[in-house]
Amino acid sequence: KQEVTQIPAALSVPEGENLVLNCSFTDSAIYNLQWFRQDPGKGLTSLLLIQSSQREQTSGRLNASLDKSSGRSTLYIAASQPGDSATYLCAVRRGAQKLVFGQGTRLTINP
Amino acid sequence: GAGVSQSPSNKVTEKGKDVELRCDPISGHTALYWYRQSLGQGLEFLIYFQGNSAPDKSGLPSDRFSAERTGGSVSTLTIQRTQQEDSAVYLCASSEPGVGYNEQFFGPGTRLTVL
Repeated sequence: KQEVTQIPAALSVPEGENLVLNCSFTDSAIYNLQWFRQDPGKGLTSLLLIQSSQREQTSGRLNASLDKSSGRSTLYIAASQPGDSATYLCAVRRGAQKLVFGQGTRLTINP
Repeated sequence: GAGVSQSPSNKVTEKGKDVELRCDPISGHTALYWYRQSLGQGLEFLIYFQGNSAPDKSGLPSDRFSAERTGGSVSTLTIQRTQQEDSAVYLCASSEPGVGYNEQFFGPGTRLTVL
């Protein structure tokens, strides 16, 4: 059974810092990995999708990497801003089409 | 263009009543998914529809839960005889057709509270 773990569960940093969020998964036979952002009381916003054949994806200040063999992904956020405060979720997708989610990292950027 | 929409945004019901939750996927998306997000359980898959194929119901927690998708577009998730443990946010997602494993786009969710 696929299990997804995100560390840390919560993170608080001052504005302007670069930071890394971690995601690990137990079964490396995935098709893709998706990073999401969730604001309080809201749905999920897709940030980046990495296919299993890819090593990384970039969007603006965000960079996600994937090391399928070791079962790890990282989300790098450069020059953090207060507006980046949210819960970040990673999810992996296997043949059954469904996504298996981690518990999320609650990020707070302090002005 | 319009994203995934869900209604109602909030639903409060009494234990034992039936509820229906609605999802309108992005136009042209043939794949539709329901997930549930509850405290302590995180986000968990419920059911998946792809075109005219039989749905993948492997995530439904009990036979009180059912879902249908009419005309390959709108989907309704029905919970019969609701229990307090059904209280959660129910999220719908859709993705494009075609080969490959495409990005899922989520709606804002329906927050269900069972008293």
